[in-house]
Amino acid sequence: AQTVTQSQPEMSVQEAETVTLSCTYDTSESDYYLFWYKQPPSRQMILVIRQEAYKQQNATENRFSVNFQKAAKSFSLKISDSQLGDAAMYFCAYRSARNANTDKLIFGTGTRLQVFP
Amino acid sequence: DAMVIQNPRYQVTQFGKPVTLSCSQTLNHNVMYWYQQKSSQAPKLLFHYYDKDFNNEADTPDNFQSRRPNTSFCFLDIRSPGLGDAAMYLCATSRDRFSNQPQHFGDGTRLSIL
Repeated sequence: AQTVTQSQPEMSVQEAETVTLSCTYDTSESDYYLFWYKQPPSRQMILVIRQEAYKQQNATENRFSVNFQKAAKSFSLKISDSQLGDAAMYFCAYRSARNANTDKLIFGTGTRLQVFP
Repeated sequence: DAMVIQNPRYQVTQFGKPVTLSCSQTLNHNVMYWYQQKSSQAPKLLFHYYDKDFNNEADTPDNFQSRRPNTSFCFLDIRSPGLGDAAMYLCATSRDRFSNQPQHFGDGTRLSIL
């Protein structure tokens, strides 16, 4: 079974600085997708960035980028020029590319990010 | 804007009294999911519908049922809620299964059990 581990329950960063959130995963599959989702307090979960396992190039979305190390099964999220609105719970998630049994996001336990002015 | 809408935002029910949570979507997505998220924990999939095909997770209690009468709506029924069922319930949709397409989440329904 696949698992996702986020070893940092909480992180903090000063506004305009850069922060990196860690995520590792375990799988025997070769084809899968990885996601970072953001869940602000009492608000809906939204996609931050996604990565296809077959792509070697790291995904980038504006201030958000990932460091995807397939061999190490690592998928960290870097937030540059942090803003107050980035404060939220961040979940790393795994999704199989093909599985006859089930289709789901497997989430890590989350990292709560605080942003200080 | 196309979206996923969950009603109600907050639901209070009594121990053992059946409750239904609803989810609607305007995205015309094929797949609809129900996740349970307990306080300070990761969301956990209960089941999903791929079109009309129901897929239950192996560890989802029998107490939880779901209905999808049409593409737009999906319901979560809890037949006899226990105290351990207090949680946030998240509905999500996806255009297709096993794809890189993101799941789109609703705001959630927070269920409390008295």
